[in-house]
Amino acid sequence: DTEVTQTPKHLVMGMTNKKSLKCEQHMGHRAMYWYKQKAKKPPELMFVYSYEKLSINESVPSRFSPECPNSSLLNLHLHALQPEDSALYLCASSQPSGRGTDTQYFGPGTRLTVL
Amino acid sequence: KNEVEQSPQNLTAQEGEFITINCSYSVGISALHWLQQHPGGGIVSLFMLSSGKKKHGRLIATINIQEKHSSLHITASHPRDSAVYICAVRWRETSGSRLTFGEGTQLTVNP
Repeated sequence: DTEVTQTPKHLVMGMTNKKSLKCEQHMGHRAMYWYKQKAKKPPELMFVYSYEKLSINESVPSRFSPECPNSSLLNLHLHALQPEDSALYLCASSQPSGRGTDTQYFGPGTRLTVL
Repeated sequence: KNEVEQSPQNLTAQEGEFITINCSYSVGISALHWLQQHPGGGIVSLFMLSSGKKKHGRLIATINIQEKHSSLHITASHPRDSAVYICAVRWRETSGSRLTFGEGTQLTVNP
C-alpha cells in the first residue's frame, strides 16, 4: 500500500468555524508533512512531524494547529481562518533516510475554501 | 539565498514530440526530485536523483552535479502527459526533511 489518503476532499468553512483535516498512511513512514498550495504556485511547507514529534513549524499562524496522534495519522485543526487561507492543503509522508534521500509520497489534497 | 530555477515556465507541444524541462539550483544538494501534478491537485513523485540518470517508461531524468543542473525528458509525448512538472531539492547543508521547490513547468500536449 503506497497510498496517502486525505479527508475531506473539499471543505467550505466560515471564518468562525472549527474544522479538521485528516491524513493517513500505512507505509510505516515516520515523517509526515503538511503543505499549503495556492493556485499556480509550488507547495509551501507548513509543518513536519518526525517520529511523531513536531520537528519543523514554518512560522505558521496559530489558527492552524497540527496533531500527530500516532505514526499513521496526521491532523490539521483549523480555527478562525481567513479568506486568504483558502488553498489546497497537501499531506505527504516519507521514511527518513538520514542522508536526505527519502522520497515523499503525497496525498490528493483537501481543497479548502474560507468564506 | 538557496534557489531552484525551472525553465520553461510554460510549454506547449504536439503529440509525439520530445520534451525537455530544465532545473538549475544554486548550491550543493543531497537529492533532487521531479514531481508531477495533474489538475485537481495530487502530486506524484516521478524520480529521486543524487547522481547520473534514471529512466521509467517514456520519462528520463538526468542530473549533472558539477553544473548543478537536471533535466526531465519525455519521449513520444502524449496528451495524458499534460500536467505541471516540479523540480524540488534537498540542500546538502540542511538537516531534516525540508524540500525547496521550483516554480513548476506547465506542460500542455495537444493531440
